[in-house]
Amino acid sequence: AQKVTQAQTEISVVEKEDVTLDCVYETRDTTYYLFWYKQPPSGELVFLIRRNSFDEQNEISGRYSWNFQKSTSSFNFTITASQVVDSAVYFCALSFSGSRLTFGEGTQLTVNP
Amino acid sequence: EAGVTQSPTHLIKTRGQQATLRCSPISGHTSVYWYQQALGLGLQFLLWYDEGEERNRGNFPPRFSGRQFPNYSSELNVNALELEDSALYLCASSLVGLAETQYFGPGTRLLVL
Repeated sequence: AQKVTQAQTEISVVEKEDVTLDCVYETRDTTYYLFWYKQPPSGELVFLIRRNSFDEQNEISGRYSWNFQKSTSSFNFTITASQVVDSAVYFCALSFSGSRLTFGEGTQLTVNP
Repeated sequence: EAGVTQSPTHLIKTRGQQATLRCSPISGHTSVYWYQQALGLGLQFLLWYDEGEERNRGNFPPRFSGRQFPNYSSELNVNALELEDSALYLCASSLVGLAETQYFGPGTRLLVL
């Protein structure tokens, strides 16, 4: 069975701090896909990144970076120099065969001015 | 390019009634997914439709059903509403294929009184 664990329920930081959101996953499949989504108070899930199981290259997009490590089954997300607009719930998700997404419980990030 | 749209944005029903939620996918996307986000239960997969057929179903009772129309839009029907059906219902769409990213709509907030 697939499982995603986001151990951090809530994180509160002050603007300009760096923050890392942890994600640990479990799957028996050799081919799978990992995702991060952002959910602002409006409710819509905004896609941030997708990684397949064969691509362990870390990625940086502006202030966002992702660290994928198969050896520890982790796919962590770092926001550098956080801003108030980064405040949201962030979800890590796992899928195989392109079908259902299995989500973690989400991490509520609050960035205070 | 227009994103995934959902209607209505809010829906209030009483116990025992039926609710119908609608979703229009991104142009060119043939797969539509439904997820339920209930308080305290996280994001749970409900249904997956592709090319008019139900492809996969989550662990929900049969009173949750849906369909996909020839234009790839979709309806989610919830019969015999129960109080615990109160949730945010999110629709997502994707291109066909095993590794495609799901893009989400703004959701329908269903309140059952």
